[in-house]
Amino acid sequence: DAGITQSPRHKVTETGTPVTLRCHQTENHRYMYWYRQDPGHGLRLIHYSYGVKDTDKGEVSDGYSVSRSKTEDFLLTLESATSSQTSVYFCATRQVSGNTIYFGEGSWLTVV
Amino acid sequence: TQLLEQSPQFLSIQEGENLTVYCNSSSVFSSLQWYRQEPGEGPVLLVTVVTGGEVKKLKRLTFQFGDARKDSSLHITAAQPGDTGLYLCAGHWGDSNYQLIWGAGTKLIIKP
Repeated sequence: DAGITQSPRHKVTETGTPVTLRCHQTENHRYMYWYRQDPGHGLRLIHYSYGVKDTDKGEVSDGYSVSRSKTEDFLLTLESATSSQTSVYFCATRQVSGNTIYFGEGSWLTVV
Repeated sequence: TQLLEQSPQFLSIQEGENLTVYCNSSSVFSSLQWYRQEPGEGPVLLVTVVTGGEVKKLKRLTFQFGDARKDSSLHITAAQPGDTGLYLCAGHWGDSNYQLIWGAGTKLIIKP
């Protein structure tokens, strides 16, 4: 257990509104990731971070932005939420020297 | 584009039966991981296989990496209701960033 907390755990929002999901970790892992999980697609990488203020795009980054101002926090922002962004979002972390990816419990987002 | 295909997508069997699920790709991976995800939670790592032909056992679970490092299987002996969950495979390719390619998962239900 890497001590990963996601907030909010559940959110319903309207189309066109901005949404920010927060990931907080207590293990000082350098790498952090945001994934979305949809039926039939598995886990798809949205953005990832190598360290503070060091981020890069994943395979499904359109419509999302991230920020990492502290080692322990990684924020995912949906700039203008759309119904296609209804999904379960997972934050994950990894140590520099390890190959295990640790996941948070997920954030369920519904865009209506 | 690397793809990982998992089969079957869904499997429902009786307690005590044996089963095998598969993870296949046309790409070569430097390592492959299996995760289990329970409802409402994030995936948890079960095993990492690195060497072609490698076999690892975790109690009643046997994992095998194909000789060419393109595929893997998970065999469960005498399945129990506690084995119920979504089984995900993830392949690591390249030697930087440690990005994973994820399969869509096999949803396994073990009936008492």
